[in-house]
Amino acid sequence: AQTVTQSQPEMSVQEAETVTLSCTYDTSESDYYLFWYKQPPSRQMILVIRQEAYKQQNATENRFSVNFQKAAKSFSLKISDSQLGDAAMYFCAPNRDDKIIFGKGTRLHILP
Amino acid sequence: GAGVSQSPSNKVTEKGKDVELRCDPISGHTALYWYRQSLGQGLEFLIYFQGNSAPDKSGLPSDRFSAERTGGSVSTLTIQRTQQEDSAVYLCASSLGLRNEQFFGPGTRLTVL
Repeated sequence: AQTVTQSQPEMSVQEAETVTLSCTYDTSESDYYLFWYKQPPSRQMILVIRQEAYKQQNATENRFSVNFQKAAKSFSLKISDSQLGDAAMYFCAPNRDDKIIFGKGTRLHILP
Repeated sequence: GAGVSQSPSNKVTEKGKDVELRCDPISGHTALYWYRQSLGQGLEFLIYFQGNSAPDKSGLPSDRFSAERTGGSVSTLTIQRTQQEDSAVYLCASSLGLRNEQFFGPGTRLTVL
């Protein structure tokens, strides 16, 4: 079984500041992928960033980066220079074989 | 290249009725997934299809739920004898393969009165 824990149900950050969303997961696998998805109020799920577990280097996509600690089974998302359009639900989602297991999400508010 | 489409976008039904939700995946995507998202909650995996393999139905909550995928493309999720607890947003996603990014549709909001 694989569980995903996002311990922060809601967070707020000032526009232009940096925020980190945490995620821990449980897996017995050694080879897997991890994703962060964003779901804005429009309900459309969008991939933010992807990390391969075999890679030591943390993934980066523009203002989004991850801190992947494989031994600790931790996969946090850092958003730099937060923008109003970043307001959304963020889901951590480890993937193994045929399933993505989603966390319950963190609702991120951006304060102007 | 259109994205994943789902229909209807909203469905209101009476308790006890059957409903069918449709998903059109991205052309060429061999994997197709159904998820359920209750209000303010995360995504609950329901079922997944990969190519010609037998579907993984391990997430279906009861035998009132079923899904099929015809011709390796369009999928239909059927809920029989709907209950109020079935009210949720049903999301469909497709991907090129098991470890690839999933592309999501806009979802169908189901309301059971």
